[in-house]
Amino acid sequence: DVKVTQSSRYLVKRTGEKVFLECVQDMDHENMFWYRQDPGLGLRLIYFSYDVKMKEKGDIPEGYSVSREKKERFSLILESASTNQTSMYLCASSQGGRSYNEQFFGPGTRLTVL
Amino acid sequence: AQSVTQLDSHVSVSEGTPVLLRCNYSSSYSPSLFWYVQHPNKGLQLLLKYTSAATLVKGINGFEAEFKKSETSFHLTKPSAHMSDAAEYFCVVSPSGTYKYIFGTGTRLKVLA
Repeated sequence: DVKVTQSSRYLVKRTGEKVFLECVQDMDHENMFWYRQDPGLGLRLIYFSYDVKMKEKGDIPEGYSVSREKKERFSLILESASTNQTSMYLCASSQGGRSYNEQFFGPGTRLTVL
Repeated sequence: AQSVTQLDSHVSVSEGTPVLLRCNYSSSYSPSLFWYVQHPNKGLQLLLKYTSAATLVKGINGFEAEFKKSETSFHLTKPSAHMSDAAEYFCVVSPSGTYKYIFGTGTRLKVLA
């Protein structure tokens, strides 16, 4: 059974803290993605990676960074958490190539910043 | 610019009646199109995808969607709703030759007993 796992289902942090969200996939996929999901806004792409150490900004990268040191792991970093980063964060992966491959999603991390 | 519009944010149907969730897109030539479902407190799961083969696409759990290029639509249908279909549904377009997946804002389906 293919899987995308995320390190935490729920996380509570304080304003100004550095936050790490981890994502691991076991499907040997080249592409990995980080989204945030907010009510009425759908999913918005923060960053994606199409290979180890390669990354590209998505639609809303401000306040976030990412790291991909190994093929199976993609980390999202909030350098200094703010209350407007309270959201559901979803990680996804897909096979290499473009556009026609389905994405597989993790269960999500609900982050609250106080 | 590429975009996806889900025309209804909420849809309510009675159990056993047909389901129609509407999606219009704006994209380049030959996009890939997807429908995903998200049950409460679960991750997104693929229902079906269109990748320029047959225009009528069958998915899991009795869902299907028809790609209509002239109308730039990709509506999701099911002949008979089941209580377990209550969830949020997302239409997604991926323009040809890109890594990007553009999500609609979602349609929440409610199934009434």
